[in-house]
Amino acid sequence: EAEVAQSPRYKITEKSQAVAFWCDPISGHATLYWYRQILGQGPELLVQFQDESVVDDSQLPKDRFSAERLKGVDSTLKIQPAELGDSAMYLCASSLGQVFLTDPDTEAFFGQGTRLTVV
Amino acid sequence: TQLLEQSPQFLSIQEGENLTVYCNSSSVFSSLQWYRQEPGEGPVLLVTVVTGGEVKKLKRLTFQFGDARKDSSLHITAAQPGDTGLYLCAGARGSNYKLTFGKGTLLTVNP
Repeated sequence: EAEVAQSPRYKITEKSQAVAFWCDPISGHATLYWYRQILGQGPELLVQFQDESVVDDSQLPKDRFSAERLKGVDSTLKIQPAELGDSAMYLCASSLGQVFLTDPDTEAFFGQGTRLTVV
Repeated sequence: TQLLEQSPQFLSIQEGENLTVYCNSSSVFSSLQWYRQEPGEGPVLLVTVVTGGEVKKLKRLTFQFGDARKDSSLHITAAQPGDTGLYLCAGARGSNYKLTFGKGTLLTVNP
């Protein structure tokens, strides 16, 4: 069964260091999301891609966070420098997106996430 | 301001009981989705509702989308310990189908 792949599964880093997360969406999914989830809360959207283009990054702290999806397939989310408050689960999700312009194509499928701890 | 308000935030019940959790908003959504998330894992999609007034059933789970497409409910009949988890609702809206999540309802079903 197709699934969203994320790596690493866990990451511990010191504050002020750089850290990067990788996501490989389900094949054929045009839309890719990066979410941040603090323990006990719902996921918060950081950035949304449609193919290789960013369509929403209004909640991305751009002074330290960056995201790219160069070929419209896999994606990388980077934090530099990491801060203590960045400790969270970083989730990647993908959906068919607007390819067929039908609502069920917005159904998002999530990876297992990367648990980041900044010390 | 939270776009999607979920209630209750926490719910602890005994096996065999029925329960309902709610997802409310002042905004209209193109579609609304329910996910269940277990600790340390990503959310898993349960259902998508797209039509106002729509009711969908998934075994012991019943999902309803409000007539105005602003709210939804999830009803579980005869809850089991395996139903334990964080139940999240997410709404898609806008030309980019931005998917926004509520904070979730943490359900614990005790044996």
